[in-house]
Amino acid sequence: DAGVTQSPTHLIKTRGQQVTLRCSPKSGHDTVSWYQQALGQGPQFIFQYYEEEERQRGNFPDRFSGHQFPNYSSELNVNALLLGDSALYLCASSLELAELYGYTFGSGTRLTVV
Amino acid sequence: AQSVTQLGSHVSVSEGALVLLRCNYSSSVPPYLFWYVQYPNQGLQLLLKYTSAATLVKGINGFEAEFKKSETSFHLTKPSAHMSDAAEYFCAVTTKTSYDKVIFGPGTSLSVIP
Repeated sequence: DAGVTQSPTHLIKTRGQQVTLRCSPKSGHDTVSWYQQALGQGPQFIFQYYEEEERQRGNFPDRFSGHQFPNYSSELNVNALLLGDSALYLCASSLELAELYGYTFGSGTRLTVV
Repeated sequence: AQSVTQLGSHVSVSEGALVLLRCNYSSSVPPYLFWYVQYPNQGLQLLLKYTSAATLVKGINGFEAEFKKSETSFHLTKPSAHMSDAAEYFCAVTTKTSYDKVIFGPGTSLSVIP
């Protein structure tokens, strides 16, 4: 049973560019959440998708956008990259009632902005 | 809004000694609480969760945590540390009313000394 799959694993981009990160949730999971983890910090909630709609959003600018597809996979898009966007981006999948079951995390995409 | 604090960004213990990692939460409604572990260059793995059933929760790898409402705490313990326990540990909170947005603490790095 595959867990959460994220691609790519590493990425280097230049300031001002745009990037798309991809996530395939664990089989049977219908909810996908994205987190940004800066070096030495805890994960910060970006947004969550359920039934192809953004259900919750954290304190991130509109440069961060996402999408969920009918097969529950998801994309995170970041426009006009800043040096401060360098971080590990984590995708977490869950059943709708994540408060009961917890998240399953992918290994993340390490984004470096130069 | 809920929040999590973790006392001690870094904890060192000797192999075989007791592990105690502290977590305090803030929530205006009954919380759901989690502990996750992160090994270098990996995603987060769920250790255990409190979902309003038993206050003493047992997890994987010999870890357990006790929910104390009066102290708003959810400390993580393990009777005997093993070298393989060295990792980053995150406490997290969510509530039934937050549509599964999970808020993470800043993390505690555990070192195990042989």
